[in-house]
Amino acid sequence: SQTIHQWPATLVQPVGSPLSLECTVEGTSNPNLYWYRQAAGRGLQLLFYSVGIGQISSEVPQNLSASRPQDRQFILSSKKLLLSDSGFYLCAWNLGQINTEAFFGQGTRLTVV
Amino acid sequence: GENVEQHPSTLSVQEGDSAVIKCTYSDSASNYFPWYKQELGKGPQLIIDIRSNVGEKKDQRIAVTLNKTAKHFSLHITETQPEDSAVYFCAASGTALIFGKGTTLSVSS
Repeated sequence: SQTIHQWPATLVQPVGSPLSLECTVEGTSNPNLYWYRQAAGRGLQLLFYSVGIGQISSEVPQNLSASRPQDRQFILSSKKLLLSDSGFYLCAWNLGQINTEAFFGQGTRLTVV
Repeated sequence: GENVEQHPSTLSVQEGDSAVIKCTYSDSASNYFPWYKQELGKGPQLIIDIRSNVGEKKDQRIAVTLNKTAKHFSLHITETQPEDSAVYFCAASGTALIFGKGTTLSVSS
């Protein structure tokens, strides 16, 4: 069966520090991968999605970036965190067409102080 | 791109009552409309979905309706129970799944 792993579960980082959140999917090949951010009152905001290795689409311009170094690995990064980067970050995957069920990880609670 | 509006943002009902959450979307090319339930501190989980070639779908106490002409779809939960309390999100498939801002449903016993 397929599983998605996302870590860490919680993270407290100072303003200006770098960020690296990792997401891996097991049990499937060539998934579509997504990063969402959930902030209070803003729902699930799509940040990045990838339909293959090295293919990254950005939905929201900001100081975050994403990379997909391997088929089932998706990384969210920042060189310098801002207070406004605080939130709940969720990784998700689905197969084939965009219009299929997406499966979410358990999320990372990021607090920038 | 796709834009999804969801209402209401909060909904409080008594156990046994029905709950209705409504969403509208902007991209007429969207053809997949899932609903997710998120419990505190966890990732969202799919509870029901509908495709554009279907007008209604039911799964026990949950139903979803879709009006393509008006570009809106709704989630109906009947005979609500306290364990239905959670945040519910609608979504529409544009270039990726675009979500509404969520509805916090509280079911009191």
